[in-house]
Amino acid sequence: DTAVSQTPKYLVTQMGNDKSIKCEQNLGHDTMYWYKQDSKKFLKIMFSYNNKELIINETVPNRFSPKSPDKAHLNLHINSLELGDSAVYFCASSQVGGVTEAFFGQGTRLTVV
Amino acid sequence: KQEVTQIPAALSVPEGENLVLNCSFTDSAIYNLQWFRQDPGKGLTSLLLIQSSQREQTSGRLNASLDKSSGRSTLYIAASQPGDSATYLCAVSLGRGTYKYIFGTGTRLKVLA
Repeated sequence: DTAVSQTPKYLVTQMGNDKSIKCEQNLGHDTMYWYKQDSKKFLKIMFSYNNKELIINETVPNRFSPKSPDKAHLNLHINSLELGDSAVYFCASSQVGGVTEAFFGQGTRLTVV
Repeated sequence: KQEVTQIPAALSVPEGENLVLNCSFTDSAIYNLQWFRQDPGKGLTSLLLIQSSQREQTSGRLNASLDKSSGRSTLYIAASQPGDSATYLCAVSLGRGTYKYIFGTGTRLKVLA
């Protein structure tokens, strides 16, 4: 069983479109995260949620809107996609935010053309 | 502001060599440090988690050490194999209530058969 799963794995879309990425974890963790990995492979935090509540929004444009319907799910919706949004987006979870081991999904490679 | 650096950025070694990857952080007030590997096009796999109170952790051929006061961690890989080829990332957590892991710049390792 995959611990943290994301869909889709690949996403190719045109500028201006709106898209969503879904994430689910079956580890029973309280905290979930979205990270962005840029073309230089650097990973940067975007959002953290704890028990469905937004904890961190790391100066991400308003076009990005995360939603956590329950503790096991954290989705990322992106409006009006721009070329600069092209990256790999990773979902992760941990039992306690910033304290316990973090587990990552396989990533979603977003390409905006 | 916490910054995490990994040196070298890339490393090629012949199979069978023992090697050391380095991770440096600017603020010694970390809660824990986690080492990951990332295979091309894949997600992050957690290798080892070291709590700030620990000096080292071992898993198979991997040994991670932590020196908080000097802001350094090393990942030692014994008897390297071609299957160890991947990018290795370290990430630090600043503790409960911080809800994020700050990643290093990564070391791309290639083990030659």
